[in-house]
Amino acid sequence: GAVVSQHPSWVICKSGTSVKIECRSLDFQATTMFWYRQFPKQSLMLMATSNEGSKATYEQGVEKDKFLINHASLTLSTLTVTSAHPEDSSFYICSASPMAGASYEQYFGPGTRLTVT
Amino acid sequence: GENVEQHPSTLSVQEGDSAVIKCTYSDSASNYFPWYKQELGKRPQLIIDIRSNVGEKKDQRIAVTLNKTAKHFSLHITETQPEDSAVYFCAASMDSSYKLIFGSGTRLLVRP
Repeated sequence: GAVVSQHPSWVICKSGTSVKIECRSLDFQATTMFWYRQFPKQSLMLMATSNEGSKATYEQGVEKDKFLINHASLTLSTLTVTSAHPEDSSFYICSASPMAGASYEQYFGPGTRLTVT
Repeated sequence: GENVEQHPSTLSVQEGDSAVIKCTYSDSASNYFPWYKQELGKRPQLIIDIRSNVGEKKDQRIAVTLNKTAKHFSLHITETQPEDSAVYFCAASMDSSYKLIFGSGTRLLVRP
């Protein structure tokens, strides 16, 4: 159980275009989802916390107008990178938590590798 | 906000030896401390976690210890095997947000 999927697994886009990444919890309802970015040989940096039916909470330094997050249902959150630039190239990973009984455990998606040319 | 520091950044051990990775955290309100193993290009995999009401937890070859007073926690891997080679991340979280703040990672190499 506790499977999280992401789509696409990799994407190449041209500078200035927008890219949407989907994160789905397949066998549980995720009240909260988290989006992380990971540059090569670096740690996971939290970008934002996404709560179903409400606006996302962004970490300091993350541009909310550039990284649009939508959590429209208990099983789906999307991250849209708008007007992408080469410096946005990274590994984007989502995680989901059922928050059942105040459980902390987060289940990670397989990640999406974004390359902006 | 919470800050998590992790040491060492790289660790090379001989197969069969033990490996220890240490983390410190800054916010005393943090009360959940998971450890993740990440292989190249893959998602992080939870290997063990500990909550602040416990001082030590063990699962076969893996153990985690927590010192709340000093605000540090450690991962211990005994009888290391080549398949233990990966990047290991510690993280900290608290009730108020549930968000995970990660350490910088330790690249573990187990030499056959």
